[in-house]
Amino acid sequence: AQSVTQLGSHVSVSEGALVLLRCNYSSSVPPYLFWYVQYPNQGLQLLLKYTSAATLVKGINGFEAEFKKSETSFHLTKPSAHMSDAAEYFCAVSERNFGNEKLTFGTGTRLTIIP
Amino acid sequence: SQTIHQWPATLVQPVGSPLSLECTVEGTSNPNLYWYRQAAGRGLQLLFYSVGIGQISSEVPQNLSASRPQDRQFILSSKKLLLSDSGFYLCAWSKGVPDTQYFGPGTRLTVL
Repeated sequence: AQSVTQLGSHVSVSEGALVLLRCNYSSSVPPYLFWYVQYPNQGLQLLLKYTSAATLVKGINGFEAEFKKSETSFHLTKPSAHMSDAAEYFCAVSERNFGNEKLTFGTGTRLTIIP
Repeated sequence: SQTIHQWPATLVQPVGSPLSLECTVEGTSNPNLYWYRQAAGRGLQLLFYSVGIGQISSEVPQNLSASRPQDRQFILSSKKLLLSDSGFYLCAWSKGVPDTQYFGPGTRLTVL
C-alpha cells in the first residue's frame, strides 16, 4: 500500500533563506512521486515529479527534489525563498502497478515566508 | 492544450438541499477523472474516480455520489447536504496509469 508522510504542517523561513519541505513515502513497489503547490482558493499545480529517471528532479519556480530510495524520502528544496513561494505544498505517491490510477497525498505543509 | 473547468466556483447551500457540481475537461479523450474534497486545515481526500464513461469507483462511503455521463464530464451530487459536506471540492484528470493529475480551480461549498 502506498502512503506519504509530510513532516511539519507549518514551516516558516525568512526571505532569501533555504526552503526544505520534508516528504517520506511508503510503497511496496517502485513509486512515482510528485510535489504540488496550492495557492489560496486555487487548485493544485504540479511543481515536479519523479518517474525513475534522474534522482534529482528540477521543477518550476526554482524548486527541486531528490529521490533517496534508502531513506524513502523525496524532500523539496529551494536555495532562496521568495515571498511568492508562500503557499501550501503537497507531496504525493503513486505505485507503479498496472491498474493503479490513484495518487495518495500527504496532509500538506503550509510555507510562510518572513520578510 | 488541455484545460479543466469546474463550476460553480462558490456555492452556499442549506442543510438538506441537493448538490450538483460539474467538471469538464477539454483537449483530451478518455481521461481518468477524480473528485477530491479538502476540508479546512486538512489534506486532500479522494472521493471518487472514473476510468471511463459509467465507471465510478467510490473511496469513501457517504451521502455523495458521482456520475460520468460523457467522456469528459464528471458530476458530483448529493440528495441531501450535511454540514460536514462543507469544503473545497477539486476535480482532476490524468492520462495514463499512473500519471500526473491536473487539477481544476475548485468549488468552495459552504453548507449552513
